[in-house]
Amino acid sequence: VQMTQSPSYLAASPGESVSISCKASKSISNNLAWYQEKPGKANKLLIHSGSTLQSGTPSRFSGSGSGTDFTLTIRSLESEDFAVYYCQQYNEYPPTFGAGTKLELK
Amino acid sequence: EVQLVESGGGLVQPGRSLKLSCAASGFTFSNYYMAWVRQAPKKGLEWVATISTSGSRTYYPDSVKGRFTISRDNAKSSLYLQMNSLKSEDTATYYCARQNLLRYFDYWGQGVMVTVSS
Repeated sequence: VQMTQSPSYLAASPGESVSISCKASKSISNNLAWYQEKPGKANKLLIHSGSTLQSGTPSRFSGSGSGTDFTLTIRSLESEDFAVYYCQQYNEYPPTFGAGTKLELK
Repeated sequence: EVQLVESGGGLVQPGRSLKLSCAASGFTFSNYYMAWVRQAPKKGLEWVATISTSGSRTYYPDSVKGRFTISRDNAKSSLYLQMNSLKSEDTATYYCARQNLLRYFDYWGQGVMVTVSS
């Protein structure tokens, strides 16, 4: 299953809201996870099952979608949110990832 | 606190072998599937291998099947990746990850770099 993320880059300011899209090449039900990557830190699982926040994920993060179209939304950006975000489908083997979205400070 | 710490990376010539290790702590290792995921320079994430709780079942993508072998030692809470016949395209940072039964990765290590070059 091919995962297409957009945009590849996104510039925003603290306090703004942003959305990242992830599209699957075929239906994956709600078997989608979102991860955050930051330099020098282990990748962090933010959301699984399309919209279920992993324990410890701030409530300003939300996930939506099912089938082939998914969205990660971050409301009221904080400085710690500037990072790279990846989606991943786990509906079938092999698990596959999107190419990533780099969220940068404007 | 869940911790996954990889080791064993380095520079290796094409065609040679290398074995990565991952030391796990903070959870009951034998209760979880484990996986390796890699990221080539300037590229995205690629799943490399998964192993079941007992080690009886393993899964690989075509890109590494027959060359890489994932294994585990539950008594030592350790995960391994034996990489043979290495190619330049195997150059990447390799991450150890705990895999949920649903097949997403709920904890990751910080990664270990493998460079395949002559």
